[in-house]
Amino acid sequence: GAVVSQHPSRVICKSGTSVKIECRSLDFQATTMFWYRQFPKQSLMLMATSNEGSKATYEQGVEKDKFLINHASLTLSTLTVTSAHPEDSSFYICSASTPGVLGKLFFGSGTQLSVL
Amino acid sequence: AQKVTQAQTEISVVEKEDVTLDCVYETRDTTYYLFWYKQPPSGELVFLIRRNSFDEQNEISGRYSWNFQKSTSSFNFTITASQVVDSAVYFCALSEASGTYKYIFGTGTRLKVLA
Repeated sequence: GAVVSQHPSRVICKSGTSVKIECRSLDFQATTMFWYRQFPKQSLMLMATSNEGSKATYEQGVEKDKFLINHASLTLSTLTVTSAHPEDSSFYICSASTPGVLGKLFFGSGTQLSVL
Repeated sequence: AQKVTQAQTEISVVEKEDVTLDCVYETRDTTYYLFWYKQPPSGELVFLIRRNSFDEQNEISGRYSWNFQKSTSSFNFTITASQVVDSAVYFCALSEASGTYKYIFGTGTRLKVLA
């Protein structure tokens, strides 16, 4: 149980376009979702935390207008990279928590974004 | 502030050797969770273990074992008789035990097991 599905797994886009990444909890209600970013050979850096029905909380240095997060339901959160540029190329991973499992996050399989 | 340090950036071992990955953490919380994750080249994070701060018992799972030393704020991970399939990046992480469970990841240790 506790599966998090993330799509797409890989996306290539042109500079200036917007890209949406979906993160779904398949068999549980995700009260909180987290979005992480990982540059090659580096660690995972938290970008933002979102709770269903409320605005996301962004970490310091993360542009909220560049990375739009919507957590419209207890099973779906989306990250939209607006007007993507090559420097936005990275691996993005979502994760979700549920009150039923204390202290543990369930991770999606990640999205590799390449902006040309 | 919370912090996780994995001082070993990259380790190479020959198959069947034992290897220990170090993890040192900092937190002011008295209750917290510690984790280890494996990230193979495909990128997904594979959960290995969760340990809460009140449970200092060491744990063994097959070829994997974990040593939690609260006195030194360390949570080390040992792979016994390493195999090529163990090659991956391993992350240690820390989270608060209440609220949103936000994870703080270490910088990761890249393990290469050579045949």
